[in-house]
Amino acid sequence: NAGVTQTPKFRILKIGQSMTLQCTQDMNHNYMYWYRQDPGMGLKLIYYSVGAGITDKGEVPNGYNVSRSTTEDFPLRLELAAPSQTSVYFCASNSNRDPKGYGYTFGSGTRLTVV
Amino acid sequence: AQSVTQLGSHVSVSEGALVLLRCNYSSSVPPYLFWYVQYPNQGLQLLLKYTTGATLVKGINGFEAEFKKSETSFHLTKPSAHMSDAAEYFCAVTLNSGGYQKVTFGTGTKLQVIP
Repeated sequence: NAGVTQTPKFRILKIGQSMTLQCTQDMNHNYMYWYRQDPGMGLKLIYYSVGAGITDKGEVPNGYNVSRSTTEDFPLRLELAAPSQTSVYFCASNSNRDPKGYGYTFGSGTRLTVV
Repeated sequence: AQSVTQLGSHVSVSEGALVLLRCNYSSSVPPYLFWYVQYPNQGLQLLLKYTTGATLVKGINGFEAEFKKSETSFHLTKPSAHMSDAAEYFCAVTLNSGGYQKVTFGTGTKLQVIP
C-alpha cells in the first residue's frame, strides 16, 4: 500500500498565482483532511471531508478550496496565493470503521513558498 | 471543547538517558489520545494511541505512554534515548463520542539527543 500520496513535494508560487495540491489515498478511508504546519504553531486544520461529496471548513479555510469527488482523492486549491500561505501542507486520512481507534495516516507533505 | 498542552517546545537529553515528553489535555468526554513523531522533512507518523482499556500503551521504537485520568495527562516516555529518536513529537486528542471526531494537536516538542 502507498498510503497517502501528496504531490508536488515542493513548489514556489508568485503572489496571485493559483495551484492545486494533490492528495490520494489507497486505504479506502472515508475521512480526509488538509492541515498546514507553521513553525511553533503545530497543525491547523484547513478543510476536511467525511466522504465523497462532503466537505467542511476547519480552523483556517480562508484562501483555500477543496473538493471530494471520489473516496481516494482530496485536492486542495489555492486561489490568488499570498505570502501568508507559505507553509508546509499535509494531507491525512483515517476511517471511522477502524475498531482500534482513529489514528491518522499522513502524507509526506508539500512545502509551499509564495514570493 | 478539547485542548492539548505540551510542556516544553524543546527538550534535550543525553544518549542513553530517560526521555520524558509531557502532554496534558482537557476534554469534556472520555478522550482518545495519540502521540505522533515527525522526522525532519517528513510527515507525521503515529507512535502510539490510547482509546480504551489498559492505560499504559506501548508504541513503536520503545516508546510508551500512560493515560492518567486524574492528572489529565498522557506523558510519553522511553527508558534510554537513542540518536535516532531526535525528532519532533506531537500529542493529540480527540473525543470518544462517535461520528466525526475533531482532532486537536499540541504545538509539538522537539527532542534533541546529545551524544
